[in-house]
Amino acid sequence: KQEVTQIPAALSVPEGENLVLNCSFTDSAIYNLQWFRQDPGKGLTSLLLIQSSQREQTSGRLNASLDKSSGRSTLYIAASQPGDSATYLCAVKDVNAGKSTFGDGTTLTVKP
Amino acid sequence: EAQVTQNPRYLITVTGKKLTVTCSQNMNHEYMSWYRQDPGLGLRQIYYSMNVEVTDKGDVPEGYKVSRKEKRNFPLILESPSPNQTSLYFCASSSPGQGNYEQYFGPGTRLTVT
Repeated sequence: KQEVTQIPAALSVPEGENLVLNCSFTDSAIYNLQWFRQDPGKGLTSLLLIQSSQREQTSGRLNASLDKSSGRSTLYIAASQPGDSATYLCAVKDVNAGKSTFGDGTTLTVKP
Repeated sequence: EAQVTQNPRYLITVTGKKLTVTCSQNMNHEYMSWYRQDPGLGLRQIYYSMNVEVTDKGDVPEGYKVSRKEKRNFPLILESPSPNQTSLYFCASSSPGQGNYEQYFGPGTRLTVT
């Protein structure tokens, strides 16, 4: 059974800092990995999706990498802003593309 | 606008009273899923559907039913709700032809069972 772990569970940084969020998974037979943002009491907003054959994806200040063989992904946020404060979730989709497993998330606080 | 909609957004009900939470998507996606989110347990998949009339269990299917009679709709049915089904529920859809199975989520349904 796939297990997804996100470290750290919480992170507090001053505005302007670059930071890395980690996601690890136990079964490398994945179709893709997707990073989401969730604000308190709200739904999920997709940030980046990496196919199993890809190594990284970039969108603005965000960069996600994937090392499928070691079961790891990182989300790099450059020049963090208070508006980046949210919970960040990673999800892996199995090779049959039906089942998805989420990590518990990293709650990020960016202080002005 | 491409979107996944859920209804109702908030629901308070009593133990044993059957209820249905609807989910609809307008993106012609083949895949749809239901998740529940609980503090300390994260998001867990309840059921998923790979196309019309094709459904399969996720990690926590007990106490839930689903059906997929139309491509755009994927209702979640609680035949006899219990307090441990109090949770925040999300519906999602995705497609191989549009974004490589990138999942799009609905706004969530907050269910309280007393």
